[in-house]
Amino acid sequence: DAKTTQPPSMDCAEGRAANLPCNHSTISGNEYVYWYRQIHSQGPQYIIHGLKNNETNEMASLIITEDRKSSTLILPHATLRDTAVYYCIETSYDKVIFGPGTSLSVIP
Amino acid sequence: ETGVTQSPTHLIKTRGQQVTLRCSSQSGHNTVSWYQQALGQGPQFIFQYYREEENGRGNFPPRFSGLQFPNYSSELNVNALELDDSALYLCASSITGVRETQYFGPGTRLLVL
Repeated sequence: DAKTTQPPSMDCAEGRAANLPCNHSTISGNEYVYWYRQIHSQGPQYIIHGLKNNETNEMASLIITEDRKSSTLILPHATLRDTAVYYCIETSYDKVIFGPGTSLSVIP
Repeated sequence: ETGVTQSPTHLIKTRGQQVTLRCSSQSGHNTVSWYQQALGQGPQFIFQYYREEENGRGNFPPRFSGLQFPNYSSELNVNALELDDSALYLCASSITGVRETQYFGPGTRLLVL
């Protein structure tokens, strides 16, 4: 069973920030939070990951709460090409568990 | 730098048959993981291979097996195919394990009739 929970779907207006939440209340101290996205019929694509500090790269920002029980992925200026399913996952040393993810629709 | 490749792209089999799917890892990566993704669901972890040994497995029966070769390419074998095995099979490579960033291939879509 997935250890992370995400809303099943979200809409975002093109050009606006998309904020995708994730709850990972059972995360242990040394587990990273990873975000991937999957555009229809393609393999998942890595976006960003973090342990306890906020992270930013050319694709997105990741905000992790101080207790590490939840995080938010921020796409600062969503485009139509950001329409995809976004997965927040936890990894242990020998396995990965994906949940059903959040289907983000960017609307013109 | 060559990304992760998978073959074939599509495959149709009948129930009871056996199938072999192939994956070439990204250059410099020595870990490969396999996932099954049914329609409308997230990828489900099958297993991981590190340096030619299985190193982690999800909730899949023994008829799902794998191999990793010295060049770090990999195969997924499924015996006694069932209708529910119809899915997109994804391969991902990483430097040392699933706790690292994984790079996914485009997948093989398997249809079991």
